[in-house]
Amino acid sequence: KNQVEQSPQSLIILEGKNCTLQCNYTVSPFSNLRWYKQDTGRGPVSLTIMTFSENTKSNGRYTATLDADTKQSSLHITASQLSDSASYICVVSANTGFQKLVFGTGTRLLVSP
Amino acid sequence: DGGITQSPKYLFRKEGQNVTLSCEQNLNHDAMYWYRQDPGQGLRLIYYSQIVNDFQKGDIAEGYSVSREKKESFPLTVTSAQKNPTAFYLCASSVDRGREQYFGPGTRLTVT
Repeated sequence: KNQVEQSPQSLIILEGKNCTLQCNYTVSPFSNLRWYKQDTGRGPVSLTIMTFSENTKSNGRYTATLDADTKQSSLHITASQLSDSASYICVVSANTGFQKLVFGTGTRLLVSP
Repeated sequence: DGGITQSPKYLFRKEGQNVTLSCEQNLNHDAMYWYRQDPGQGLRLIYYSQIVNDFQKGDIAEGYSVSREKKESFPLTVTSAQKNPTAFYLCASSVDRGREQYFGPGTRLTVT
């Protein structure tokens, strides 16, 4: 069964600190992996997208890694800011013709002053 | 100003009433999608459309209906047959199937 699991479920860090969010998936056949940021009550916004051959991709203070062998990804946030408080969703695309997206349940991050 | 708009942001209905959620995009995207988001669950696909006048059921289509008469618009009707309609509904679009999906701001529907 295609699944995406994220950990931790929630996280509180102090402003200025770094953090790493984890994503494990069992989606097959794999097409790509995306990280989205979703503010409360808003739609998700794409942070990064990685294909099978990419193992790291950055977007400002956000760096995503992908290990296709172990089917794991991480999202590292550097020098956190209050505006980073949001849910971070890992989404894996299955290459089944339609490119079905499998969504994780997200990690809720709170950056505290 | 390009993007995806959903209206209204909040919607309240009585049980047994049908309700239609609006989704409009001016990105010239061919594909459009409807998702449902519930607390503690990942987004689930309700319906998708790859081209005008064509749409397909997603994973949880029961109790929902859609139409795609114009490229820019993909309204979702939540019918009285949907057993648990209270949720956050997200519309998305992409250039075509398989490309990155861009999400609208969402509509929170509460049915009492």
